[in-house]
Amino acid sequence: GAVVSQHPSWVICKSGTSVKIECRSLDFQATTMFWYRQFPKQSLMLMATSNEGSKATYEQGVEKDKFLINHASLTLSTLTVTSAHPEDSSFYICSAERGTGGFEAFFGQGTRLTVV
Amino acid sequence: DAKTTQPPSMDCAEGRAANLPCNHSTISGNEYVYWYRQIHSQGPQYIIHGLKNNETNEMASLIITEDRKSSTLILPHATLRDTAVYYCIVRVGGSSYKLIFGSGTRLLVRP
Repeated sequence: GAVVSQHPSWVICKSGTSVKIECRSLDFQATTMFWYRQFPKQSLMLMATSNEGSKATYEQGVEKDKFLINHASLTLSTLTVTSAHPEDSSFYICSAERGTGGFEAFFGQGTRLTVV
Repeated sequence: DAKTTQPPSMDCAEGRAANLPCNHSTISGNEYVYWYRQIHSQGPQYIIHGLKNNETNEMASLIITEDRKSSTLILPHATLRDTAVYYCIVRVGGSSYKLIFGSGTRLLVRP
């Protein structure tokens, strides 16, 4: 299957700082990428849909000014958690689909963020 | 909201078939059934998807009832590495459509 890579795999940051997470599709171009958040023992919750060259679409209840998403190329989307707080500590996962007509979403390995 | 219902947990013996059920009684005519699994602390892994017909690949088989209101994922010879949370998702086919995850089924494969 296609490969989606996230970086970093884990990160620890101090309260009030910002953290950037990268999501790359390594062997295909992804017009659309999705960002999820997962708390312990819970399912994945969709945060936003990232479209190359346009503004992201956020799910209800997700603060767009806190979770900045940039999808500047067909192989890279970034999620920046701004002014992080301990309650933002979570497992962040991205997924990407191949071009148009794609039926399979490929997921990154996830990034574990801990805010201290 | 997720449009599927799955049992919270199941178990099976190693080497035996694992049959994971999923109810999707409100599925629309243009919605596909997708299955993903998530092994602890990893991103979800695609398993299989289907619309009407039964499907089989190297990982699993997908059986969809004729009225499409339910389906079963079959792992023919479960191994310990198949222990994971399995998610059944319905989604309109094609790109740019969201995958909404429900609570899934936690499958434990016993030695």
